[in-house]
Amino acid sequence: QSALTQPASVSGSPGQSITISCTGSSSDVGGYNHVSWYQQRPGKAPKLMIYEVSNRPSGVSNRFSGSKSGNTASLTISGLQAEDEADYYCNSYTDSVGWVFGGGTKVTVL
Amino acid sequence: QVQLVESGGGVVQPGGSLRLSCAASGFTFNSNGMHWVRQAPGKGLEWVAYIGYDGAHKFYADSVRGRFTISRDNSKNTLYLQMISLRAEDTAVYYCTKDSAWSCDYWGQGTLVTVSS
Repeated sequence: QSALTQPASVSGSPGQSITISCTGSSSDVGGYNHVSWYQQRPGKAPKLMIYEVSNRPSGVSNRFSGSKSGNTASLTISGLQAEDEADYYCNSYTDSVGWVFGGGTKVTVL
Repeated sequence: QVQLVESGGGVVQPGGSLRLSCAASGFTFNSNGMHWVRQAPGKGLEWVAYIGYDGAHKFYADSVRGRFTISRDNSKNTLYLQMISLRAEDTAVYYCTKDSAWSCDYWGQGTLVTVSS
């Protein structure tokens, strides 16, 4: 099981939009719509932000959106705020053995 | 409200065993699949194992298959992870999570497992 590929870090100024990519293969991201995204603040448990590629759980800000094209999924944060500074992980179901996470992306608000 | 409370973590020697538990409440436990996810110190998330709502279906990461066993007791609303032949690289915070639409919608606070001599 190879981890999904994410950029190590992404940064932006308050109010800007940023996009985090998550690249897999036809066995995971490209083959299923079972892609989810998680936010993790230091010392805290992860929080589900997006499920099934583009769906937001109740209570998650509509500034967070997800999409997918081919083997790459993306998380976009619009109107960046200081509170968005955290680590973000993508996850996908894979037909090999189960689920796989990306390596994580640290988002910095400048 | 959904609550997941892990327990059973601690320090164990290489080659040793440990059983983690996760007490679930606030939802219909026997209707949901469950996962274990771990995070080594300073590292990213790693999916470990999944069990279906009735225990019939189980999946494991390559890194733990044959050493870890996921199970559940729906009469006690409890999820388990039996870990044997532990290695230093198994040192991590272990999270219990509830499955919903192929994602982890609720997470526990985690329990730390340290494998060290």
